[in-house]
Amino acid sequence: SAVISQKPSRDICQRGTSLTIQCQVDSQVTMMFWYRQQPGQSLTLIATANQGSEATYESGFVIDKFPISRPNLTFSTLTVSNMSPEDSSIYLCSVGTGLSVGYEQYFGPGTRLTVT
Amino acid sequence: LAKTTQPISMDSYEGQEVNITCSHNNIATNDYITWYQQFPSQGPRFIIQGYKTKVTNEVASLFIPADRKSSTLSLPRVSLSDTAVYYCLVVVYSSASKIIFGSGTRLSIRP
Repeated sequence: SAVISQKPSRDICQRGTSLTIQCQVDSQVTMMFWYRQQPGQSLTLIATANQGSEATYESGFVIDKFPISRPNLTFSTLTVSNMSPEDSSIYLCSVGTGLSVGYEQYFGPGTRLTVT
Repeated sequence: LAKTTQPISMDSYEGQEVNITCSHNNIATNDYITWYQQFPSQGPRFIIQGYKTKVTNEVASLFIPADRKSSTLSLPRVSLSDTAVYYCLVVVYSSASKIIFGSGTRLSIRP
């Protein structure tokens, strides 16, 4: 298993600003993913963070709004840009044990974002 | 991409066996059934996965009939700490696989 930490655990931000969320894993992993979960709702995959190349985004998510970095095999960041109240959500990173999201994943504790 | 259907919520009591059934009528040949558990303020946690018949681990059992159009997660002798949301997913093992986290089943265990 992998131990995943996220920073910050929560934040309250103003409309129009940006927030960068960090995800740190205690071991090297190939696959890292970012999800969004609105309170009381299910999870939606935002993108796959690829080490050394651009992230792969799911339908409905774009790089300008959610830029992702993956500088090495243990770390990734997700930025939520030009925030609006609709971006209020829990953002989770996960790591995969195989080639894609289809394989078992370990999730971080999440970052609770509130946009005012 | 196979869609899953689960009950929105279930209630049970400590010490009981709980069975949560998931429907996945359009499951494909290469699809596996996977269950995750999520506690409040935590990320989901992998519980169990199977392809057909029965799979058991230290936490749960997974029953999959021959037609694989449904599956049942069985939690033996539940405790209050099993109160959580349980997600049933259908996944395929490929580099291009996709998943959908459905709405999940909110399980409440009472003393």
